Amino acid sequence: DTGVSQDPRHKITKRGQNVTFRCDPISEHNRLYWYRQTLGQGPEFLTYFQNEAQLEKSRLLSDRFSAERPKGSFSTLEIQRTEQGDSAMYLCASSLAGGETEKLFFGSGTQLSVL
Amino acid sequence: DQQVKQNSPSLSVQEGRISILNCDYTNSMFDYFLWYKKYPAEGPTFLISISSIKDKNEDGRFTVFLNKSAKHLSLHIVPSQPGDSAVYFCAATFTGGGNKLTFGTGTQLKVEL
Repeated sequence: DTGVSQDPRHKITKRGQNVTFRCDPISEHNRLYWYRQTLGQGPEFLTYFQNEAQLEKSRLLSDRFSAERPKGSFSTLEIQRTEQGDSAMYLCASSLAGGETEKLFFGSGTQLSVL
Repeated sequence: DQQVKQNSPSLSVQEGRISILNCDYTNSMFDYFLWYKKYPAEGPTFLISISSIKDKNEDGRFTVFLNKSAKHLSLHIVPSQPGDSAVYFCAATFTGGGNKLTFGTGTQLKVEL
């Protein structure tokens, strides 16, 4: 069990650039979640997948954001035309549906800074 | 619309004493509650949880109490240790919700020597 892995840990970009983050969940987990956390707030749900299907997207996820999980394993989160308001910690989590289902395991996150 | 609220941004206790962290929720559909602990530059780690069919769950030094009528839960840590210093998040979900967690804003706990 290597845990949830996220890459990169830190990303600094200029406004208007595109960025992509990667998440590798715990191998046997079939659910994968993306959350965003800003300073002084708790993690906010963005979207989640069961296997390769994206089952729900938050209204926080504007059309500049897209997430994929093409083979039901790792996932990518892309932000196009970044804005300063996108600066946040992006957290990935995974869980096993049908197991101890309510427990999510989080990665260490990707800290995005948009200049 | 903050469905899970942690009204105390910070709490300071002495080593060996009890830490009590509080959480309130507004959504009656929530039926499972969790506490996560977060150190700086790390993701949240699961601490303890409770189902709405219970009013108490205990795991070592950590106990979570649930008062459904008041829509309130609390986390008790006893005795508190310096290593417990972290941000604690309360989270809630409901059956059929796809394990999607709704988090509170967190309470920074500092355990002093």
